[in-house]
Amino acid sequence: DTAVSQTPKYLVTQMGNDKSIKCEQNLGHDTMYWYKQDSKKFLKIMFSYNNKELIINETVPNRFSPKSPDKAHLNLHINSLELGDSAVYFCASSQGQGVITEAFFGQGTRLTVV
Amino acid sequence: AQSVTQLGSHVSVSEGALVLLRCNYSSSVPPYLFWYVQYPNQGLQLLLKYTTGATLVKGINGFEAEFKKSETSFHLTKPSAHMSDAAEYFCAVSDPGGSYIPTFGRGTSLIVHP
Repeated sequence: DTAVSQTPKYLVTQMGNDKSIKCEQNLGHDTMYWYKQDSKKFLKIMFSYNNKELIINETVPNRFSPKSPDKAHLNLHINSLELGDSAVYFCASSQGQGVITEAFFGQGTRLTVV
Repeated sequence: AQSVTQLGSHVSVSEGALVLLRCNYSSSVPPYLFWYVQYPNQGLQLLLKYTTGATLVKGINGFEAEFKKSETSFHLTKPSAHMSDAAEYFCAVSDPGGSYIPTFGRGTSLIVHP
């Protein structure tokens, strides 16, 4: 029973398209994140949500828009995809704001923009 | 602001040899520290964590790490490397006094030779 699941695992699309990545966690956690991992394996936080509310929004283009319909889901929508958006995107969750525990990661979505 | 430095983007060892992966952190308050492992095409998995208490922390797969406040270090060790240990290893820090979002180092790729 997967704790943090992302779909799709692979996504190949053309420049200019709009795409979404879905994430769900069944751990009962209050906090969810999106990280971007570049080709050099560097992990950079993009967004953090706590109980459906945006907590952290790092310097990310406006083309990226997270949506949290409930605290178990955090989806990532990307408009007007660019070549530089190619990366692996990881969803993660942790217990909650103010409670520092480890983050649990999904398997990642490898996005390739051609 | 918190930060993590992992010395050496690649570490190469022979099977059976000692594994030492270095991590130094910067934090304005005593941090919470984590080591994660990422196998190819997978998400990140927690190896071990330090929050408070005993400074020598044991994790999964025979790994351990020691929190040394005076050296601001949290190096990861394993007495005897296995071929299956070949992976990317990430050190991360969470700052209880500020942002609780985990900040990751740039990762160290562990290569194990037969």
